[in-house]
Amino acid sequence: EAGVVQSPRYKIIEKKQPVAFWCNPISGHNTLYWYRQNLGQGPELLIRYENEEAVDDSQLPKDRFSAERLKGVDSTLKIQPAELGDSAVYLCASSPPRTYNEQFFGPGTRLTVL
Amino acid sequence: GNSVTQMEGPVTLSEEAFLTINCTYTATGYPSLFWYVQYPGEGLQLLLKATKADDKGSNKGFEATYRKETTSFHLEKGSVQVSDSAVYFCALSDQGGKLIFGQGTELSVKP
Repeated sequence: EAGVVQSPRYKIIEKKQPVAFWCNPISGHNTLYWYRQNLGQGPELLIRYENEEAVDDSQLPKDRFSAERLKGVDSTLKIQPAELGDSAVYLCASSPPRTYNEQFFGPGTRLTVL
Repeated sequence: GNSVTQMEGPVTLSEEAFLTINCTYTATGYPSLFWYVQYPGEGLQLLLKATKADDKGSNKGFEATYRKETTSFHLEKGSVQVSDSAVYFCALSDQGGKLIFGQGTELSVKP
């Protein structure tokens, strides 16, 4: 079974530039999560989707961050414009229906903002 | 609010030594508790979990017991190997399925 796929694995951009991350969850997993992991810290939830609906986006900085999951499968997280403090690893995870207790994580995208 | 605190690293051990990584939590209700492991260059992997008080989660020689009275979920292994070198994260899941992580503890095992 294929795991959670994320791309790109690494991204380096100048501040004020836009950036987008893509995630394809495990087949059949209707719940999708985006986390941000700062250096030396644990991941923090940004947004959670149930199918195509964002059910928890309370931690998403909506002035510059946006996310979509149009068909309830893959998802895109965007930052526009990026700031120096956005440098982090962005993790995507998914879980099967009604099984929140086990989340499967992708390898992450490491973003460096210069 | 809910939170997880785990011991600071790095923890450096010799092969075959006993490992304990402390984890305590603050939560309302009855959360599920987890240990995740992150090997170098890889994503987070679920190591073990416990969903109610006094449950013991175990996997790959690692164990942790859900202690409600001390709000703890300490990770233990009797004999570590070099291949166990990784960052270990303690986490809890609230009623809505949101995972809240500790800051991680880096383990380095020397031959």
